[in-house]
Amino acid sequence: DTGVSQNPRHKITKRGQNVTFRCDPISEHNRLYWYRQTLGQGPEFLTYFQNEAQLEKSRLLSDRFSAERPKGSFSTLEIQRTEQGDSAMYLCASSLITEAFFGQGTRLTVV
Amino acid sequence: AQSVTQLDSQVPVFEEAPVELRCNYSSSVSVYLFWYVQYPNQGLQLLLKYLSGSTLVKGINGFEAEFNKSQTSFHLRKPSVHISDTAEYFCAVRPPEAGNMLTFGGGTRLMVKP
Repeated sequence: DTGVSQNPRHKITKRGQNVTFRCDPISEHNRLYWYRQTLGQGPEFLTYFQNEAQLEKSRLLSDRFSAERPKGSFSTLEIQRTEQGDSAMYLCASSLITEAFFGQGTRLTVV
Repeated sequence: AQSVTQLDSQVPVFEEAPVELRCNYSSSVSVYLFWYVQYPNQGLQLLLKYLSGSTLVKGINGFEAEFNKSQTSFHLRKPSVHISDTAEYFCAVRPPEAGNMLTFGGGTRLMVKP
């Protein structure tokens, strides 16, 4: 068990470009979550998968954001036409029953 | 809906002194409660959790927390802090039903001084 893995750890992109992040959850965990954390704030929920089904999306998840979890394994989060306000740490977590285990996050900087 | 308030954004304390980080929550339903720690440029690591039963829960690294239902609080304590405890601490809640997301407080930065 290597924990939740996120790639890349850091991403710098120009405004208007598309970016994609990957999350590999703990292998037996059927639930996967994406959160966004801006500087000096607590994480905010973005979206939730149970197996391959996306069951909930926050209103924070605008039309430019899309997430997938094909085959109920890894997940990707794509941001299209990035804006400076998208700069944040994007955290992935997975869980089986009660507690969520977090990855180290992907820090996105939009310049 | 739930909300979490961490009353102190920063807590400076000297090494080996005791510390308490405060957390209050609001919820119309019963909740599970958690404390996470985040070191710089890292993800979140679970310190401890309250699901049910004894209101005093012990976690890793010598931390403990007490659930107070009447005051809707879940304060985190450590009797003697170390320099290595310097980090951001987040209180979080979620309803017990599987799949519910965590609602986090704004965090408290613990700064341990030598």
